[in-house]
Amino acid sequence: NAGVTQTPKFQVLKTGQSMTLQCAQDMNHNSMYWYRQDPGMGLRLIYYSASEGTTDKGEVPNGYNVSRLNKREFSLRLESAAPSQTSVYFCASSEAGWGRRNEQFFGPGTRLTVL
Amino acid sequence: AQSVTQLDSHVSVSEGTPVLLRCNYSSSYSPSLFWYVQHPNKGLQLLLKYTSAATLVKGINGFEAEFKKSETSFHLTKPSAHMSDAAEYFCVVSLDNSGGYQKVTFGIGTKLQVIP
Repeated sequence: NAGVTQTPKFQVLKTGQSMTLQCAQDMNHNSMYWYRQDPGMGLRLIYYSASEGTTDKGEVPNGYNVSRLNKREFSLRLESAAPSQTSVYFCASSEAGWGRRNEQFFGPGTRLTVL
Repeated sequence: AQSVTQLDSHVSVSEGTPVLLRCNYSSSYSPSLFWYVQHPNKGLQLLLKYTSAATLVKGINGFEAEFKKSETSFHLTKPSAHMSDAAEYFCVVSLDNSGGYQKVTFGIGTKLQVIP
């Protein structure tokens, strides 16, 4: 099992450019998440998908869109990148469903710099 | 509403001495609590979790944590620090909400330095 995989690992963009971060999991999890990590702020939830076919906003969704392509894949898109979106992005997945409390499994992260 | 507070942003210990990383939480309901570790330029790895079973939870690499409801704390400990323990540690509180997903709140992290 590869667990949670993310591509690319590193990316440098110019302000206004667009890009899509890819995430896939092979654990048959229902729920998937996108976080950003900034120094001194822990991880903040951008978007999540509780199950295939659904997506919802998290704590910091502005400037991002997501697509749950199928049960395995959950992508994050920056339509017009801004320097404030320079961050490390983590994808995670979990079994989570009604009344279940399961840990999240994290990918290795994508380090994005917007110039 | 739920929140989590990691009381120290940096902790420095000598190799072979005990480690204590402090975490306090607030939650309207009985939460699940987790500790994750992040080594430099790596993703997050689960150390241990509390999900309303035993209050003393043992994790990987010799770490353990005790859930104390009266103190709303979930401190992480290890009897003897190793150089490989140098990393950033995150305390996380999770609460199922009516939407069927986990509402997860991360602490800001504690960086552990281990001095040879």
